[in-house]
Amino acid sequence: QKEVEQNSGPLSVPEGAIASLNCTYSDRGSQSFFWYRQYSGKSPELIMFIYSNGDKEDGRFTAQLNKASQYVSLLIRDSQPSDSATYLCAAYSGGGADGLTFGKGTHLIIQP
Amino acid sequence: DVKVTQSSRYLVKRTGEKVFLECVQDMDHENMFWYRQDPGLGLRLIYFSYDVKMKEKGDIPEGYSVSREKKERFSLILESASTNQTSMYLCASSPGGELAKNIQYFGAGTRLSVL
Repeated sequence: QKEVEQNSGPLSVPEGAIASLNCTYSDRGSQSFFWYRQYSGKSPELIMFIYSNGDKEDGRFTAQLNKASQYVSLLIRDSQPSDSATYLCAAYSGGGADGLTFGKGTHLIIQP
Repeated sequence: DVKVTQSSRYLVKRTGEKVFLECVQDMDHENMFWYRQDPGLGLRLIYFSYDVKMKEKGDIPEGYSVSREKKERFSLILESASTNQTSMYLCASSPGGELAKNIQYFGAGTRLSVL
């Protein structure tokens, strides 16, 4: 059973600080990784994807991948109250359309 | 922009009714998916399809069926709705292939209540 694990939270971070969200995956063969943001009552929307070891930056967001340790993280710099949401991590392990496994998400609260 | 459209945002049905949830995508994606999402349980895959008229069971197919007669449309059917099928239903599509082509794009969701 392929698993993607996330701390459910809530993770509380003061406004303007760096929010750090972590995710571990069980399948060492996982090829690509995705971070989604989901506001309460809304559907998930893609923030970033990463498939090479190291960091990938997009605006205030940085995704980090360490395949040797099987973890992925998402850093949000200069956190804003509008970043308060649940963040879903997903890992693609190949093998077809159903090869994408989602974690259950981390609930992030940015405190003004 | 990729657009995945679900026909209803909110639905209220009676136990035993047959329920149809429709999903349409406009990006010529090969793959389409139906999930349900419940508090504490995350996203659970019900069915997916990788081509027209092709369908595969996900993790929780019991009580559901699907239809994909055209590439852009994927329907979820509850043959006889039950109260334990009250949930948020999410449709998604992806182009399929390697690496980033497995990005899934989600519709707005249908919140179904079965009374």
